[in-house]
Amino acid sequence: KQEVTQIPAALSVPEGENLVLNCSFTDSAIYNLQWFRQDPGKGLTSLLLIQSSQREQTSGRLNASLDKSSGRSTLYIAASQPGDSATYLCAVTLGDNNDMRFGAGTRLTVKP
Amino acid sequence: ETGVTQSPTHLIKTRGQQVTLRCSSQSGHNTVSWYQQALGQGPQFIFQYYREEENGRGNFPPRFSGLQFPNYSSELNVNALELDDSALYLCASSLSGTGYEQYFGPGTRLTVT
Repeated sequence: KQEVTQIPAALSVPEGENLVLNCSFTDSAIYNLQWFRQDPGKGLTSLLLIQSSQREQTSGRLNASLDKSSGRSTLYIAASQPGDSATYLCAVTLGDNNDMRFGAGTRLTVKP
Repeated sequence: ETGVTQSPTHLIKTRGQQVTLRCSSQSGHNTVSWYQQALGQGPQFIFQYYREEENGRGNFPPRFSGLQFPNYSSELNVNALELDDSALYLCASSLSGTGYEQYFGPGTRLTVT
């Protein structure tokens, strides 16, 4: 059974710091991995999508990597800003029934 | 380009009642997925609809059912509501097939008392 774990559960950093969020999954048979941002009580905003054949994706200050064989992904945020404060979720798509399995998220606070 | 919309925003129901939640997919998307997100947890996959047919289902009982219409909008129906059904219900739309990016709506907050 696919389990997705995100560490740490919460993270507080001063503005300007570079940071890494971690995501691990137990079954490497995935179609893709997607990183999302969620503001309190709101829906999810897609940040980056990495197909299973890819190693990384970049968008602005964000860089996500995928190591399927070891069941790991990282989201790197450069030069963090207070506006980056949110919960960050990773999710893997399973091919057999289109199930997207989420981690519980990392709650990020960037202090001015 | 119109994003994913959901209605209503908030809903309060009593245990045992039935509820219908609605979702309009993003323009050009023909696949809709529904998720349940309990407080402090990641979303859980309920099911997916593609061209008006269920195209995958998570570990939810049959009292969770859905529909997709010819315009690709979708409904989630929950019968015999239980207290544990209280959650944020999210729908996401995408192009057909696995591997496409999913775009989420703002969600419907359901409270069952």
